[in-house]
Amino acid sequence: DADVTQTPRNRITKTGKRIMLECSQTKGHDRMYWYRQDPGLGLRLIYYSFDVKDINKGEISDGYSVSRQAQAKFSLSLESAIPNQTALYFCATSDTTEAFFGQGTRLTVV
Amino acid sequence: DAKTTQPTSMDCAEGRAANLPCNHSTISGNEYVYWYRQIHSQGPQYIIHGLKNNETNEMASLIITEDRKSSTLILPHATLRDTAVYYCILMKTSYDKVIFGPGTSLSVIP
Repeated sequence: DADVTQTPRNRITKTGKRIMLECSQTKGHDRMYWYRQDPGLGLRLIYYSFDVKDINKGEISDGYSVSRQAQAKFSLSLESAIPNQTALYFCATSDTTEAFFGQGTRLTVV
Repeated sequence: DAKTTQPTSMDCAEGRAANLPCNHSTISGNEYVYWYRQIHSQGPQYIIHGLKNNETNEMASLIITEDRKSSTLILPHATLRDTAVYYCILMKTSYDKVIFGPGTSLSVIP
């Protein structure tokens, strides 16, 4: 099993719809992250959490929200999806030295 | 955050050493140099990191100049599977709010 599992792997949704991307990890790490990647660009940080009670905004949090349901679970929500949120989304978890990434969720908003 | 600069793209012949440079002239004394890579839209993968001394592991070697203003990632015998985007990142002692730049797109050519 993968260390970091993202569901769904691909999703097409309509403008204005609410959508949730889920992430679970088996590494036992406290820290979890959500990134988005647009074509030809690096990863930009959306939200991060250093433990279950901790949520922090990243570089581009507008239009997104997160929930840390447990140490192993960190979900990302788009309350009202818009086309410029079409991107590849990555979840990650880390210890103090290394990050482990999921395989990504390709989201298309039409 | 301190910045890094990397070439946009590089080519390397299969079986030869790939040398990927990174400039980080404003690095702080407590910042580590980290390298990750991303193969074809998969989640990024940790490669190696170092503070002052050169480091080697089963994937690569990291050479850091004495003034720490630049570094080089070396893949000793590049294979086609090493074709990826390579990210040079500065981090303090813990993985923390990392934002990835555009990186270097390495193409390994048969």
